[in-house]
Amino acid sequence: EDQVTQSPEALRLQEGESSSLNCSYTVSGLRGLFWYRQDPGKGPEFLFTLYSAGEEKEKERLKATLTKKESFLHITAPKPEDSATYLCAVQGPNTGNQFYFGTGTSLTVIP
Amino acid sequence: NAGVTQTPKFRILKIGQSMTLQCTQDMNHNYMYWYRQDPGMGLKLIYYSVGAGITDKGEVPNGYNVSRSTTEDFPLRLELAAPSQTSVYFCASSTNRVREQYFGPGTRLTVT
Repeated sequence: EDQVTQSPEALRLQEGESSSLNCSYTVSGLRGLFWYRQDPGKGPEFLFTLYSAGEEKEKERLKATLTKKESFLHITAPKPEDSATYLCAVQGPNTGNQFYFGTGTSLTVIP
Repeated sequence: NAGVTQTPKFRILKIGQSMTLQCTQDMNHNYMYWYRQDPGMGLKLIYYSVGAGITDKGEVPNGYNVSRSTTEDFPLRLELAAPSQTSVYFCASSTNRVREQYFGPGTRLTVT
């Protein structure tokens, strides 16, 4: 069965303290891996799509990378406004039109 | 563009009642989705649609129904509400199935 696992479940960082969030997956023949940000009480907001191993995408303090088994969301010099839950989702040839979401990493950046 | 809108924002239902959650998108997306999100769980797909008149079941369809008569609207119907349907419901849309999805603000439903 296709699986998506995110770690850690929660992460507390000091402002400016860089770190990485992990998304590991077991989907064969990945068609796309997606990163979303979700603020409390709101819907997920799209960040990045990665389609093949070796691909990287950047946006402000965030950088997403992809290997054949996992993706990392690197956060460089985070600010308090980066505090949110970060969700990873994958789609493979056996998932049809479905995305499978991980349970997310709750990030808190302390001023 | 308003993007994806959902109504209502909050609702409390008694066991056995029925209701429809509304979802509208103004991006002319063919693909639309309904998810539920429970604490500590990933988003679970309930139903999806690849275009007007075409719908299909997702991972957790029991207790729900959908219809898609227009490109813009994708309502989710709950018949005979049960406490297990207490959740936050999100509607999403995308241009095609391998592209990013755009989510609405969600409906928080409590069944008591």
